[in-house]
Amino acid sequence: AQSVTQLDSQVPVFEEAPVELRCNYSSSVSVYLFWYVQYPNQGLQLLLKYLSGSTLVKGINGFEAEFNKSQTSFHLRKPSVHISDTAEYFCAVSDGPGGYQKVTFGTGTKLQVIP
Amino acid sequence: DGGITQSPKYLFRKEGQNVTLSCEQNLNHDAMYWYRQDPGQGLRLIYYSQIVNDFQKGDIAEGYSVSREKKESFPLTVTSAQKNPTAFYLCASSDRDGNEQFFGPGTRLTVL
Repeated sequence: AQSVTQLDSQVPVFEEAPVELRCNYSSSVSVYLFWYVQYPNQGLQLLLKYLSGSTLVKGINGFEAEFNKSQTSFHLRKPSVHISDTAEYFCAVSDGPGGYQKVTFGTGTKLQVIP
Repeated sequence: DGGITQSPKYLFRKEGQNVTLSCEQNLNHDAMYWYRQDPGQGLRLIYYSQIVNDFQKGDIAEGYSVSREKKESFPLTVTSAQKNPTAFYLCASSDRDGNEQFFGPGTRLTVL
């Protein structure tokens, strides 16, 4: 069974500072990995995804993530955050290709950008 | 514009009443999903459907029911058997490859 761990439930950071949101996963097979962002009372929007290929994935809004198979991690980073980045971020994993695969979500990390 | 719509955005229900949440997509996606979101618990899968007239239970299906009569529509009924229905409900869809799920704006259900 697959699982996702987001160790930090809340991350406060000053505006223009860098941030890293941590995500670790467990799965017995090849995986697809995702980061979604959720603004208050809204649905989830995809930030970026890793399906295969380069382990460094670039997404929208200046975010990037690195797939590290040996450490089973997929941490999300941004070199300089903006007030508008204040939101909740969810890491998710699915069991790779082959039609429908269940997606398992982490419990989320709330990023609070302090002016 | 293609996307997923959910209605209503806010819904209030008295205990003992069934209520149906609407989800419509015009992305021509085969698969659709319902998730429940509670604070600090992430998203939990209620039901999913890969094709019309077929659906499967997710992790927390008890007290919920769904139908998939049309490709575009996947309504969720919260029945009186659901003991703690107050939550934020999210509908999503994906293509046959399942590489990415697209989410609707959500419905916040409150039981009074």
